[in-house]
Amino acid sequence: GAGVSQSPRYKVAKRGQDVALRCDPISGHVSLFWYQQALGQGPEFLTYFQNEAQLDKSGLPSDRFFAERPEGSVSTLKIQRTQQEDSAVYLCASSFSRPTGELFFGEGSRLTVL
Amino acid sequence: AQSVSQHNHHVILSEAASLELGCNYSYGGTVNLFWYVQYPGQHLQLLLKYFSGDPLVKGIKGFEAEFIKSKFSFNLRKPSVQWSDTAEYFCAVTRSGNTGKLIFGQGTTLQVKP
Repeated sequence: GAGVSQSPRYKVAKRGQDVALRCDPISGHVSLFWYQQALGQGPEFLTYFQNEAQLDKSGLPSDRFFAERPEGSVSTLKIQRTQQEDSAVYLCASSFSRPTGELFFGEGSRLTVL
Repeated sequence: AQSVSQHNHHVILSEAASLELGCNYSYGGTVNLFWYVQYPGQHLQLLLKYFSGDPLVKGIKGFEAEFIKSKFSFNLRKPSVQWSDTAEYFCAVTRSGNTGKLIFGQGTTLQVKP
Protein backbone atom coordinates (compact mmCIF):
# COMPACT_ATOMS: atom_id res chain seq x y z
CA GLY A 1 0.00 0.00 0.00
CA ALA A 2 0.90 3.65 -0.13
CA GLY A 3 1.09 4.27 3.61
CA VAL A 4 2.97 2.99 6.63
CA SER A 5 1.68 -0.43 7.54
CA GLN A 6 1.80 -1.87 11.04
CA SER A 7 0.93 -5.30 12.33
CA PRO A 8 -0.68 -6.60 14.35
CA ARG A 9 -3.18 -3.83 14.87
CA TYR A 10 -4.17 -5.30 18.23
CA LYS A 11 -2.21 -7.57 20.52
CA VAL A 12 -3.17 -8.95 23.90
CA ALA A 13 -0.34 -10.48 25.88
CA LYS A 14 -0.10 -12.04 29.28
CA ARG A 15 2.40 -10.45 31.59
CA GLY A 16 5.79 -11.97 31.01
CA GLN A 17 5.23 -12.85 27.36
CA ASP A 18 7.41 -11.54 24.57
CA VAL A 19 5.81 -9.58 21.72
CA ALA A 20 7.00 -8.41 18.32
CA LEU A 21 5.47 -5.51 16.44
CA ARG A 22 6.14 -4.98 12.77
CA CYS A 23 6.37 -1.82 10.73
CA ASP A 24 6.50 -1.61 6.94
CA PRO A 25 7.39 1.99 6.01
CA ILE A 26 6.56 3.80 2.83
CA SER A 27 8.75 2.50 0.03
CA GLY A 28 11.92 4.55 -0.32
CA HIS A 29 11.68 6.18 3.09
CA VAL A 30 15.07 5.95 4.71
CA SER A 31 14.14 7.27 8.16
CA LEU A 32 11.97 5.23 10.52
CA PHE A 33 10.74 6.06 14.00
CA TRP A 34 8.97 4.26 16.80
CA TYR A 35 6.79 6.12 19.28
CA GLN A 36 4.81 4.93 22.29
CA GLN A 37 1.45 6.50 23.05
CA ALA A 38 -0.15 5.81 26.40
CA LEU A 39 -3.86 6.38 26.87
CA GLY A 40 -4.68 10.10 26.98
CA GLN A 41 -1.12 11.15 26.23
CA GLY A 42 0.82 12.32 23.23
CA PRO A 43 3.26 10.02 21.45
CA GLU A 44 6.65 9.62 23.10
CA PHE A 45 9.80 8.95 21.08
CA LEU A 46 11.36 5.52 21.43
CA THR A 47 13.95 5.09 18.70
CA TYR A 48 15.06 6.22 15.24
CA PHE A 49 16.68 4.47 12.29
CA GLN A 50 18.31 5.87 9.22
CA ASN A 51 18.39 2.97 6.79
CA GLU A 52 19.59 0.02 8.91
CA ALA A 53 21.49 2.15 11.41
CA GLN A 54 19.83 2.83 14.74
CA LEU A 55 20.95 6.39 15.34
CA ASP A 56 18.99 7.16 18.49
CA LYS A 57 17.52 4.74 21.01
CA SER A 58 17.42 7.13 23.92
CA GLY A 59 13.66 6.78 24.35
CA LEU A 60 13.56 3.02 24.88
CA PRO A 61 12.25 2.69 28.45
CA SER A 62 14.23 -0.37 29.45
CA ASP A 63 16.49 -3.11 28.13
CA ARG A 64 13.35 -5.18 27.59
CA PHE A 65 12.70 -3.07 24.51
CA PHE A 66 14.65 -3.79 21.36
CA ALA A 67 14.22 -2.55 17.80
CA GLU A 68 15.83 -3.58 14.58
CA ARG A 69 15.74 -2.76 10.90
CA PRO A 70 18.25 -5.19 9.42
CA GLU A 71 17.77 -4.41 5.73
CA GLY A 72 16.84 -0.78 6.02
CA SER A 73 13.19 -1.36 5.25
CA VAL A 74 10.87 -3.32 7.55
CA SER A 75 11.40 -2.76 11.26
CA THR A 76 10.45 -4.82 14.28
CA LEU A 77 9.97 -3.59 17.81
CA LYS A 78 10.36 -6.38 20.32
CA ILE A 79 9.29 -6.22 23.94
CA GLN A 80 10.51 -8.97 26.21
CA ARG A 81 8.82 -10.07 29.42
CA THR A 82 5.95 -7.63 28.96
CA GLN A 83 4.65 -5.70 31.96
CA GLN A 84 1.29 -4.00 32.44
CA GLU A 85 2.91 -0.59 32.06
CA ASP A 86 3.88 -1.55 28.52
CA SER A 87 0.22 -1.34 27.51
CA ALA A 88 0.04 1.42 24.92
CA VAL A 89 -0.29 2.12 21.23
CA TYR A 90 3.01 1.73 19.42
CA LEU A 91 3.29 4.03 16.45
CA CYS A 92 5.68 3.69 13.56
CA ALA A 93 6.49 6.63 11.32
CA SER A 94 8.74 7.15 8.35
CA SER A 95 10.13 9.98 6.29
CA PHE A 96 11.82 10.14 2.92
CA SER A 97 15.27 11.34 3.77
CA ARG A 98 16.94 13.35 6.46
CA PRO A 99 14.10 13.81 8.90
CA THR A 100 12.60 17.25 9.24
CA GLY A 101 9.83 16.40 11.65
CA GLU A 102 7.39 15.77 8.82
CA LEU A 103 6.52 12.18 9.51
CA PHE A 104 4.10 9.73 7.94
CA PHE A 105 2.53 7.66 10.67
CA GLY A 106 1.01 4.22 10.61
CA GLU A 107 -2.23 3.41 12.40
CA GLY A 108 -0.39 1.87 15.31
CA SER A 109 -0.31 -1.42 17.16
CA ARG A 110 -2.37 -1.42 20.34
CA LEU A 111 -0.75 -3.63 22.98
CA THR A 112 -2.69 -4.69 26.04
CA VAL A 113 -0.80 -6.58 28.73
CA LEU A 114 -2.97 -8.48 31.18
CA ALA B 1 14.52 18.79 28.84
CA GLN B 2 12.18 19.92 26.14
CA SER B 3 8.48 19.78 26.85
CA VAL B 4 5.29 20.82 25.11
CA SER B 5 2.18 21.96 26.93
CA GLN B 6 -1.28 22.07 25.42
CA HIS B 7 -3.62 24.08 27.58
CA ASN B 8 -6.94 22.64 26.52
CA HIS B 9 -7.54 18.93 26.86
CA HIS B 10 -11.09 18.84 25.57
CA VAL B 11 -12.80 21.55 23.56
CA ILE B 12 -16.42 21.50 22.43
CA LEU B 13 -17.58 23.98 19.80
CA SER B 14 -20.57 24.49 17.57
CA GLU B 15 -20.11 24.61 13.82
CA ALA B 16 -18.96 28.02 12.53
CA ALA B 17 -17.39 28.94 15.86
CA SER B 18 -13.80 30.12 15.88
CA LEU B 19 -11.07 27.87 17.25
CA GLU B 20 -7.84 28.58 19.05
CA LEU B 21 -5.81 25.79 20.64
CA GLY B 22 -2.90 26.81 22.82
CA CYS B 23 0.57 25.31 22.65
CA ASN B 24 3.66 26.33 24.58
CA TYR B 25 7.06 24.72 24.49
CA SER B 26 10.08 24.91 26.70
CA TYR B 27 13.33 25.17 24.82
CA GLY B 28 15.48 28.22 24.41
CA GLY B 29 17.14 27.36 21.15
CA THR B 30 15.94 27.30 17.56
CA VAL B 31 13.03 24.94 17.06
CA ASN B 32 10.83 23.51 14.36
CA LEU B 33 7.14 23.43 15.27
CA PHE B 34 4.29 21.24 14.10
CA TRP B 35 0.63 20.52 14.52
CA TYR B 36 -0.51 16.99 13.83
CA VAL B 37 -4.13 15.85 13.67
CA GLN B 38 -5.73 12.46 14.21
CA TYR B 39 -9.25 12.09 12.85
CA PRO B 40 -11.39 9.34 14.39
CA GLY B 41 -10.18 5.94 13.26
CA GLN B 42 -7.31 7.36 11.23
CA HIS B 43 -3.56 7.77 11.64
CA LEU B 44 -1.74 10.88 12.75
CA GLN B 45 -1.12 13.29 9.92
CA LEU B 46 0.66 16.59 9.54
CA LEU B 47 -1.58 19.65 9.66
CA LEU B 48 1.05 22.38 9.38
CA LYS B 49 4.65 23.17 10.20
CA TYR B 50 6.96 26.07 10.98
CA PHE B 51 10.67 26.00 10.23
CA SER B 52 11.60 29.65 9.67
CA GLY B 53 10.43 32.83 8.00
CA ASP B 54 6.89 34.17 8.27
CA PRO B 55 5.69 33.26 11.76
CA LEU B 56 2.13 32.89 10.51
CA VAL B 57 1.86 29.56 8.74
CA LYS B 58 -1.08 28.12 6.90
CA GLY B 59 -1.93 24.47 6.69
CA ILE B 60 -4.56 22.26 5.21
CA LYS B 61 -8.31 22.71 5.65
CA GLY B 62 -8.12 26.40 6.56
CA PHE B 63 -5.99 25.98 9.67
CA GLU B 64 -3.23 28.41 10.56
CA ALA B 65 -0.77 28.80 13.41
CA GLU B 66 1.30 31.67 14.70
CA PHE B 67 4.77 31.29 16.13
CA ILE B 68 5.46 33.87 18.84
CA LYS B 69 9.07 33.38 19.85
CA SER B 70 8.91 35.67 22.88
CA LYS B 71 6.05 33.64 24.31
CA PHE B 72 7.38 30.22 23.26
CA SER B 73 3.97 29.64 21.72
CA PHE B 74 2.57 28.12 18.54
CA ASN B 75 -1.20 28.39 18.80
CA LEU B 76 -3.49 26.79 16.24
CA ARG B 77 -6.43 28.74 14.84
CA LYS B 78 -9.33 28.33 12.48
CA PRO B 79 -11.91 31.07 11.90
CA SER B 80 -14.88 28.77 11.40
CA VAL B 81 -14.85 25.10 12.38
CA GLN B 82 -16.80 22.35 10.69
CA TRP B 83 -18.17 19.10 12.05
CA SER B 84 -15.45 17.29 10.07
CA ASP B 85 -12.79 19.03 12.17
CA THR B 86 -13.70 16.76 15.08
CA ALA B 87 -10.38 15.13 15.91
CA GLU B 88 -7.46 15.05 18.30
CA TYR B 89 -4.82 17.73 17.76
CA PHE B 90 -1.20 17.42 18.83
CA CYS B 91 1.40 20.15 18.99
CA ALA B 92 4.99 18.97 18.54
CA VAL B 93 8.46 20.47 18.57
CA THR B 94 11.91 19.40 17.57
CA ARG B 95 15.20 21.19 17.83
CA SER B 96 16.51 22.51 14.54
CA GLY B 97 19.28 20.21 13.41
CA ASN B 98 18.05 17.39 15.63
CA THR B 99 14.87 16.64 13.82
CA GLY B 100 14.76 12.95 14.44
CA LYS B 101 12.90 13.29 17.70
CA LEU B 102 9.54 15.01 17.94
CA ILE B 103 8.35 16.02 21.40
CA PHE B 104 4.55 15.98 21.49
CA GLY B 105 2.07 17.66 23.75
CA GLN B 106 -0.60 15.51 25.34
CA GLY B 107 -3.18 16.48 22.77
CA THR B 108 -6.47 18.35 22.61
CA THR B 109 -9.67 16.60 21.70
CA LEU B 110 -11.91 18.85 19.62
CA GLN B 111 -15.56 17.99 19.33
CA VAL B 112 -17.59 20.06 16.88
CA LYS B 113 -21.35 19.86 17.26
CA PRO B 114 -23.37 20.10 14.04
